[in-house]
Amino acid sequence: GENVEQHPSTLSVQEGDSAVIKCTYSDSASNYFPWYKQELGKGPQLIIDIRSNVGEKKDQRIAVTLNKTAKHFSLHITETQPEDSAVYFCAASPMDSNYQLIWGAGTKLIIKP
Amino acid sequence: DSGVTQTPKHLITATGQRVTLRCSPRSGDLSVYWYQQSLDQGLQFLIQYYNGEERAKGNILERFSAQQFPDLHSELNLSSLELGDSALYFCASSVTSGRSNEQFFGPGTRLTVL
Repeated sequence: GENVEQHPSTLSVQEGDSAVIKCTYSDSASNYFPWYKQELGKGPQLIIDIRSNVGEKKDQRIAVTLNKTAKHFSLHITETQPEDSAVYFCAASPMDSNYQLIWGAGTKLIIKP
Repeated sequence: DSGVTQTPKHLITATGQRVTLRCSPRSGDLSVYWYQQSLDQGLQFLIQYYNGEERAKGNILERFSAQQFPDLHSELNLSSLELGDSALYFCASSVTSGRSNEQFFGPGTRLTVL
């Protein structure tokens, strides 16, 4: 079955700098790759997603890139702000999974003032 | 606000007891997913229901069970509780259409087993 690995587990960056979180997946049939943000005391919330027929997607300060050959995808956050501090989860959805998401272990992003 | 509601927000109980967690999905969503999140841990997928039927099972213990009712709300039953069952339990819902896999999460139920 699908397996998703996420790195790093903790990332500390200076406010205003960029942050990059990487995930690798094992099932080449996976075709949907979302990123969720979980703020303290709340449930995860989708921030950006990408499908396997697209290599990059951008939404203001966040972007996701997908390399199908290498089976990895990354979240890029530019000009980080204090409100970006949260736990970020990547996930992958295999085509025959009944829309189930296979989750990475999460990355705690700390923005230093 | 995701539109997914979960009750109760907090639950404190003793080992050996049984509890029921409740989830109401977003209007129109047919799929409900249950997750367990222990302290500083990731999301452990427990089970998925679609329109009243079990669709997928994850790492759900035999002491745990769930169901989805005709009005699409779902309940997660946890029995013979152990200290290690203390965690946040999230419910998520999705449309489960051909174009969208997005899951909308509720605020969670924090379970403390003493």
